[in-house]
Amino acid sequence: SYVLTQPPSVSVAPGETARITCGGDDIGTKSVHWYQQKAGQAPVLVIYYDSDRPSGIPERFSGSNSGNTATLTISRVEAGDEADYYCQVWERTSNHNYVFGTGTTVTVL
Amino acid sequence: QVQLQESGPGLVKPSGTLSLICAVSGGSISSDNWWSWVRQPPGKGLEWIGEIHHTGSTNYNPSLRSPVTILLDKSNNQFSLEVSSVTAADTAMYYCANSKGSGSCLDHWGRGILVTVSS
Repeated sequence: SYVLTQPPSVSVAPGETARITCGGDDIGTKSVHWYQQKAGQAPVLVIYYDSDRPSGIPERFSGSNSGNTATLTISRVEAGDEADYYCQVWERTSNHNYVFGTGTTVTVL
Repeated sequence: QVQLQESGPGLVKPSGTLSLICAVSGGSISSDNWWSWVRQPPGKGLEWIGEIHHTGSTNYNPSLRSPVTILLDKSNNQFSLEVSSVTAADTAMYYCANSKGSGSCLDHWGRGILVTVSS
């Protein structure tokens, strides 16, 4: 089955830029979605179809996808961005399957 | 905006059946959406369980060990999840969510419900 690998943790100072990677075999040929999950809360969609932002998500959140790596970038990081972040793709094989990445904890120093 | 709310028992005995309901408001379950269940064991990542369309078509995660069934209840604008022969490994926060297409992103999520499998 398809595997998405994320770094377990990323630490960033307020005002700086956080980059969260999501590695997968030829992931650039798939659509990648990103979710933010704050402690004790349900996940929230922050980027869909590689780089689109749902309404209400700040422009500081952006995404890219090419080759074997997709990246979620958070610019001008704020304390409120501290959360777990998950990438997700759809594995189109004989069985439809949503695949989530291993998750990355973003800590704001 | 679609809102989702999970409900059901918070405790299930081993070898029993886990049954949850997701109530949909702010939209019709008969609309052209797919309705999913996702779970998250304590301290771990997200795992997609399966989805159902208003036509009744379903897709399930082929990696799941326990038998799973997702059903629609159009009269009550809700859908359900059944996991049979549960073990401690099925202990998790269970979320319902929706997407505009099979394999698309999960747009809206419920708050989740914690289900513990224990005797």
